[in-house]
Amino acid sequence: DSGVTQTPKHLITATGQRVTLRCSPRSGDLSVYWYQQSLDQGLQFLIQYYNGEERAKGNILERFSAQQFPDLHSELNLSSLELGDSALYFCASSLIRPSGNTIYFGEGSWLTVV
Amino acid sequence: DAKTTQPPSMDCAEGRAANLPCNHSTISGNEYVYWYRQIHSQGPQYIIHGLKNNETNEMASLIITEDRKSSTLILPHATLRDTAVYYCIVRVAGVNRDDKIIFGKGTRLHILP
Repeated sequence: DSGVTQTPKHLITATGQRVTLRCSPRSGDLSVYWYQQSLDQGLQFLIQYYNGEERAKGNILERFSAQQFPDLHSELNLSSLELGDSALYFCASSLIRPSGNTIYFGEGSWLTVV
Repeated sequence: DAKTTQPPSMDCAEGRAANLPCNHSTISGNEYVYWYRQIHSQGPQYIIHGLKNNETNEMASLIITEDRKSSTLILPHATLRDTAVYYCIVRVAGVNRDDKIIFGKGTRLHILP
């Protein structure tokens, strides 16, 4: 158990809909990362937040957005869903230290768009 | 783009040591070498990391060459549960940095009974 909690674990929704994926980072971790993994595809970095502010952005679609709240949990919002958005979405967290930090991943949220 | 090169797949007999190589010839002085693995459709699992010294923990050992251009992850007694995709990653870590992980394709390790 990495200590990173993601909900829901599974979600089935229709095209055109909007969903929100939630992530609770490990206690004390200030940085949150979101990744997407489509079927048989690699892990693609989407976005990183650090203490509520966006730190880095990857190949995140304009239909997707994220935020990190004052209590440090994060949400990934996916809108106008398409069949190709079906994927595993992972959240990860870390506590950034000058000496190096380890990123820990949650077990993911399975999104199926039908 | 990932800054590492790994073989796409490897086999190892159960009970033997699995040695997974990684080349990172362009590594910078402030970049760490990290290893993660992903067992089918589970979240990536942290294994070990190092800067220049060899490291060992309860899961594995990490051997980094003196010039830091390559490293080897060693699973000392591989079991069937070690079948996974193993990712070697180099990254800067620390305060005020964009320290995301960029995953490459990794090495698919098959442990054979």
